[in-house]
Amino acid sequence: EVQLVESGGGLVQPGGPLRLSCAASGFTFSSYVMHWVRQAKGEGLEWVSTIGTAGDPYYPDSVKGRFTISRENARSSLYLQMNSLRAEDTAVYYCVRGGAYRDAFDIWGQGTMVTVSS
Amino acid sequence: DIQLTQSPSFLSASVGDRVTLTCRASQGISSYLAWYQQKPEKAPKLLIYAASTLQSGVPSRFSGSASGTEFTLTISSLQPEDFATYYCQHLKSYPPEYTFGQGTKLEIK
Repeated sequence: EVQLVESGGGLVQPGGPLRLSCAASGFTFSSYVMHWVRQAKGEGLEWVSTIGTAGDPYYPDSVKGRFTISRENARSSLYLQMNSLRAEDTAVYYCVRGGAYRDAFDIWGQGTMVTVSS
Repeated sequence: DIQLTQSPSFLSASVGDRVTLTCRASQGISSYLAWYQQKPEKAPKLLIYAASTLQSGVPSRFSGSASGTEFTLTISSLQPEDFATYYCQHLKSYPPEYTFGQGTKLEIK
């Protein structure tokens, strides 16, 4: 079964760091582009970052310079290092696989909650 | 930057109804569009990609189409499990940039 399982969410103070992890199984992880997407409570979906199969990272302006995406193919794992966290980063964070068509978001994890608050 | 505007934001319909959801792009995006369904407290699910191609396992009552910068998702006969929020997404691969629409919430009338 193809599966993505996120971990690492929790409560963090403003300005602090947090690292999310995503364990992939059921597919050849190294062959796929991977994404992170977030969703604040009651709000829509927001793309957070993408990493190519060669490890090339991409970010929207909202997180560029604060978040770092990485992957460890030997462990079939995806990571998101989040620094300088702000209240507006509070959201559920989803790990997502990029599918065959233009890396469309075809497999989603269950999400992990990140709360930035003092 | 590409903006995607979905309409309506909310839609009330009944089981068996045919419904059409719309997503308008601020400029041409060819067919680089996907649709997702999200139920409460669940992760989104990919329904359609390339504007009109059904993802494997998605019921055939779902269909997508495109005309210029206007994209539509049609559900031919609503089933109880279809009441959810639907999002469109622009798939820009080089360099990657994945804009979502604000969503349409489909509710039971």
